[in-house]
Amino acid sequence: SQKIEQNSEALNIQEGKTATLTCNYTNYSPAYLQWYRQDPGRGPVFLLLIRENEKEKRKERLKVTFDTTLKQSLFHITASQPADSATYLCARNAGNNRKLIWGLGTSLAVNP
Amino acid sequence: NAGVTQTPKFQVLKTGQSMTLQCAQDMNHEYMSWYRQDPGMGLRLIHYSVGAGITDQGEVPNGYNVSRSTTEDFPLRLLSAAPSQTSVYFCASSPHQPWREGRNEQFFGPGTRLTVL
Repeated sequence: SQKIEQNSEALNIQEGKTATLTCNYTNYSPAYLQWYRQDPGRGPVFLLLIRENEKEKRKERLKVTFDTTLKQSLFHITASQPADSATYLCARNAGNNRKLIWGLGTSLAVNP
Repeated sequence: NAGVTQTPKFQVLKTGQSMTLQCAQDMNHEYMSWYRQDPGMGLRLIHYSVGAGITDQGEVPNGYNVSRSTTEDFPLRLLSAAPSQTSVYFCASSPHQPWREGRNEQFFGPGTRLTVL
């Protein structure tokens, strides 16, 4: 079955450094991967979508890559700030199944 | 635009009670869905709708009903609440269905935290 795996361990980094979060998928390549941010007590907020034929996508301090050989997407936050502290979720389309498949998320803490 | 709104924010029910979680969006999105989020389980799809009058089951539909009489509203009904339905419920909408090309990112509501005693 198709799965999404994200680092379960929380990531702690120092302000100003680059945070890198990993999303690994199984089985065939998804048509796209989506990244969301979720703050405690709130709903997820969409950040970026990267398609299968795109190697990299950027938005301000955010960068997402898609490696179909490694079956992996990396999510980078450059010049990280304490306000970037949140849980980051990865999701993929599920082929013929009419839904998104979600990872459990990785918690990021940026320390001042 | 208000985006996606959900009511109530918190609810406590007794086992066997029924209730409706409300969801509305003002973005004219065709696709709407309900998720539940539980620790260690991630977001799981309960039901979804691809347009007014059209609904379908997700991966965990048992114990829940939905209807979509208008583009804007997509209520979720708990028929007879059980402690296993204690969870945080999110409604989401999207311009297009997730399996289609085009804008299909999900817009989430603030969630309803439900406790069933």
